[in-house]
Amino acid sequence: ETGVTQSPTHLIKTRGQQVTLRCSSQSGHNTVSWYQQALGQGPQFIFQYYREEENGRGNFPPRFSGLQFPNYSSELNVNALELDDSALYLCASSPGQEQETQYFGPGTRLLVL
Amino acid sequence: KQEVTQIPAALSVPEGENLVLNCSFTDSAIYNLQWFRQDPGKGLTSLLLIQSSQREQTSGRLNASLDKSSGRSTLYIAASQPGDSATYLCAVRPELGGATNKLIFGTGTLLAVQP
Repeated sequence: ETGVTQSPTHLIKTRGQQVTLRCSSQSGHNTVSWYQQALGQGPQFIFQYYREEENGRGNFPPRFSGLQFPNYSSELNVNALELDDSALYLCASSPGQEQETQYFGPGTRLLVL
Repeated sequence: KQEVTQIPAALSVPEGENLVLNCSFTDSAIYNLQWFRQDPGKGLTSLLLIQSSQREQTSGRLNASLDKSSGRSTLYIAASQPGDSATYLCAVRPELGGATNKLIFGTGTLLAVQP
């Protein structure tokens, strides 16, 4: 177990809806990254938060947004859901923004109908 | 743009065999390369991390090599066991990733070890 938890484990939404996914980082970790993993693909970097600020972003549209709270837990919000947003969403926490050690949570599987 | 490719996409071997998983990347400007294991419902577990200045890393029955100049890495698993069945992902951390520990992943190799 990595100490990183995510909720919910599974979620079903319909096109156009909004969704919020949550991640609880490992104790003492101030950095969290979010990844999207489509079926049969490797994870793709969405963005990273360091001490409550977004400090890096992948090739995802603005309808993907996030928050990091003072206790370093995090949320991923996706607006105007599309069918292609169906994927496993992973968060990873680390003790620093450029630290190599990252601990991944079990993921949230999102299905958009 | 960095691209990471893994071959084969799937592999099935009998228990006890030694096997090699391959990973290639297009841009040699990397800080490091990691091999992960992914089990259903359990996220990713880091197996080995090789710094760009290193040639290989070993952990138990696992050995990973890195040839940065040719953009290749291999993961060698000795004496495979059914418990090794999982998806194996390689990921590189690009030098131009900004002030992040962003990783670029391959598509993975699904390994099945038959008892």
